[in-house]
Amino acid sequence: NAGVTQTPKFQVLKTGQSMTLQCAQDMNHNSMYWYRQDPGMGLRLIYYSASEGTTDKGEVPNGYNVSRLNKREFSLRLESAAPSQTSVYFCASSEQGANIQYFGAGTRLSVL
Amino acid sequence: SQQGEEDPQALSIQEGENATMNCSYKTSINNLQWYRQNSGRGLVHLILIRSNEREKHSGRLRVTLDTSKKSSSLLITASRAADTASYFCATLPTNDYKLSFGAGTTVTVRA
Repeated sequence: NAGVTQTPKFQVLKTGQSMTLQCAQDMNHNSMYWYRQDPGMGLRLIYYSASEGTTDKGEVPNGYNVSRLNKREFSLRLESAAPSQTSVYFCASSEQGANIQYFGAGTRLSVL
Repeated sequence: SQQGEEDPQALSIQEGENATMNCSYKTSINNLQWYRQNSGRGLVHLILIRSNEREKHSGRLRVTLDTSKKSSSLLITASRAADTASYFCATLPTNDYKLSFGAGTTVTVRA
């Protein structure tokens, strides 16, 4: 039982390049989330998907797009990477209700 | 915007001592949760306390909630080196289903 799996674990991009971060969960959760974590700022919500087929913007959506491919998978795309997007990205999933979230191990992204 | 704010930002204690950290928030909540993050890892859920609860225990963890002061505390008793981590509070607002995380307290337990 893997929980939440994120790929890749590390990535270095040049400014202007694009990439997709992948996330999959095997807990049959309805809701999935993408966060970024920067030093001293905790976690900030980028996008979330309350259920399969729906996506909504979070606190810091600019420069990102998402796709809820099916109930298991939720991907985050950077169309044209900028140095300000250098961060650690976490995917999480939860059942609705109490919203206890389960996190992946993170993707460490550097944009040069 | 982040609703929860932890205090202190960092804490260094000797093994065996207790560690206490606080969280303040701004709006009414359904529940408040505490998470731990070990270096280089994702967050792990520790404990949830509902708005109608005042205290909750789980092993060496004790959480209190004071909704009148909009604050919570996490106490780790008899700390161990393995408790070295960052601890985050997260609130679930009354009219929302998205968690709002604080910036975290970094705890270092010295052997």
